[in-house]
Amino acid sequence: SQKIEQNSEALNIQEGKTATLTCNYTNYSPAYLQWYRQDPGRGPVFLLLIRENEKEKRKERLKVTFDTTLKQSLFHITASQPADSATYLCALISGGYNKLIFGAGTRLAVHP
Amino acid sequence: DVKVTQSSRYLVKRTGEKVFLECVQDMDHENMFWYRQDPGLGLRLIYFSYDVKMKEKGDIPEGYSVSREKKERFSLILESASTNQTSMYLCASSLLARTETEAFFGQGTRLTVV
Repeated sequence: SQKIEQNSEALNIQEGKTATLTCNYTNYSPAYLQWYRQDPGRGPVFLLLIRENEKEKRKERLKVTFDTTLKQSLFHITASQPADSATYLCALISGGYNKLIFGAGTRLAVHP
Repeated sequence: DVKVTQSSRYLVKRTGEKVFLECVQDMDHENMFWYRQDPGLGLRLIYFSYDVKMKEKGDIPEGYSVSREKKERFSLILESASTNQTSMYLCASSLLARTETEAFFGQGTRLTVV
């Protein structure tokens, strides 16, 4: 069956360190993958998109990698700050009509 | 400023009631989605629509139906609410024409069925 898996356990890190979140998928062949941020009680907000032919994408302190052989994307936040504390979700398109499917998300807590 | 607006932030309904959740977007997007979000299960797709009057089942459509009479509005209907439908419901929209399209979400409706 098709699955998108993210670490269900919360990731706790110290301010200033790099946070790395993992997204693995099975039985999909996505042309691209997206990452969203979700704060408690709010809807997700789009952060980054990476295409299958891109190994790496950066936006300010964010970096995303996409390995179609491993069927994995890694999401990095460098020089993390307490304001980066949130749940981060990966998503990909399944089938036609741009049907968007999400992983369960990983909660990140950055401690001062 | 682009917007997806859900009609209620919080809703409490009784078991057996028919419940309507409304979502409106002002971006002229073709795609609209309804998800529910539960702890540990993430966002699960209930239904989506790629055009007026068109709909496709998501992963968990049982107990739900949808209506899209106008492009900007997508309604989720709980035909007979049950306690296991207590959840956070999120509406989203996106462009169909562009394959590399991001989704825009509403603020969510927290539904409690008692």
